[in-house]
Amino acid sequence: AQKVTQAQTEISVVEKEDVTLDCVYETRDTTYYLFWYKQPPSGELVFLIRRNSFDEQNEISGRYSWNFQKSTSSFNFTITASQVVDSAVYFCALNPRGTGGFKTIFGAGTRLFVKA
Amino acid sequence: EAGVAQSPRYKIIEKRQSVAFWCNPISGHATLYWYQQILGQGPKLLIQFQNNGVVDDSQLPKDRFSAERLKGVDSTLKIQPAKLEDSAVYLCASSPLEEKLFFGSGTQLSVL
Repeated sequence: AQKVTQAQTEISVVEKEDVTLDCVYETRDTTYYLFWYKQPPSGELVFLIRRNSFDEQNEISGRYSWNFQKSTSSFNFTITASQVVDSAVYFCALNPRGTGGFKTIFGAGTRLFVKA
Repeated sequence: EAGVAQSPRYKIIEKRQSVAFWCNPISGHATLYWYQQILGQGPKLLIQFQNNGVVDDSQLPKDRFSAERLKGVDSTLKIQPAKLEDSAVYLCASSPLEEKLFFGSGTQLSVL
């Protein structure tokens, strides 16, 4: 089965706190892509990052960082020194490249509230 | 570069009526997707086109939903007749290589 689980429904933090959004995925394919998308209140999903299954190197982009661990099938997203503008719903997604059918499957999302 | 365009932005209809949504993908993107996002959930794929051919429509309720992609560019998604449970945001996305998705702003449908 192809599945993405985001166990945290909502997270609330105070500005400048660090926050980690969890993502666990399931796939039998050995080749796949993982993504994070941000959906601000305006509604349009915005691409944040793509990782392929052969690249476990962690990535940092400004205040954002991603930790990909194939051993635990996890692709977690950390925001350092959170800001009010980070308030949004964040989706983790999986695109399997074999028997999974090449379609992007989304998790249920984690709603992040950052309070001033 | 122009993004994915969708219209209308909002639509309110009564159950059993029909409704149509329009999407214009980013120029040159071969793959086009329609997703349904019910409040509080992640987007669920309804149909995927590669140029003007259907790649995956396994989750499209074909008794009431239909979609087409004319000449491999614009696409229309139709619901006829609508049910209360069709209330959702309908998202169109396009992609050059079936990987990273570029989304439109969506059409918020309310069925009363």
